[in-house]
Amino acid sequence: DAGVIQSPRHEVTEMGQEVTLRCKPISGHDYLFWYRQTMMRGLELLIYFNNNVPIDDSGMPEDRFSAKMPNASFSTLKIQPSEPRDSAVYFCASSPSDRDVAFTFGSGTRLTVV
Amino acid sequence: KQEVTQIPAALSVPEGENLVLNCSFTDSAIYNLQWFRQDPGKGLTSLLLIQSSQREQTSGRLNASLDKSSGRSTLYIAASQPGDSATYLCAVRWVGGYQKVTFGIGTKLQVIP
Repeated sequence: DAGVIQSPRHEVTEMGQEVTLRCKPISGHDYLFWYRQTMMRGLELLIYFNNNVPIDDSGMPEDRFSAKMPNASFSTLKIQPSEPRDSAVYFCASSPSDRDVAFTFGSGTRLTVV
Repeated sequence: KQEVTQIPAALSVPEGENLVLNCSFTDSAIYNLQWFRQDPGKGLTSLLLIQSSQREQTSGRLNASLDKSSGRSTLYIAASQPGDSATYLCAVRWVGGYQKVTFGIGTKLQVIP
């Protein structure tokens, strides 16, 4: 298995632009998570899906953030409009229903909003 | 409030030394605890997963212990190598909800040749 695949690896955009981050989870994993990592706050859970359905989006910072999972093999995290304070590394992770199995993380997308 | 703390934030040791990284958590009602490694600019790699019923897990030179009652876990690295240099994070999965997972901020380890 290729693991969790995220794209792009790096994104530099201007303030006010729309940004879309993409994630392909591991096949067969029922759960998909979006995390944001910053130096100040560490890893924060933004939203997670179970069987393509959003379960908890309480970590999404504001209405400018939205996430979708149209099928079991693809998810997007969109920021519109982007702001400099959104600059961070965004990780996607997936795991199966069995809580005894570890999370698997993607390599992340480093977002810089100028 | 369910929190995870890792101290120290950074650690520098000479090659060959045995070392211990610490993780503490505020609520003993945990389902499991996972240790990750993160290399600069990379994602998180799972190292060890300890279930709440277990006391320790071992993988190669790594040994993770868990003491729920005291709210502590340690990651022991034997005979450290420069290649062990990375940030190590612990993540606690709490009881009472599949995705109540809290990450520590990590300990940045540097092993000096």
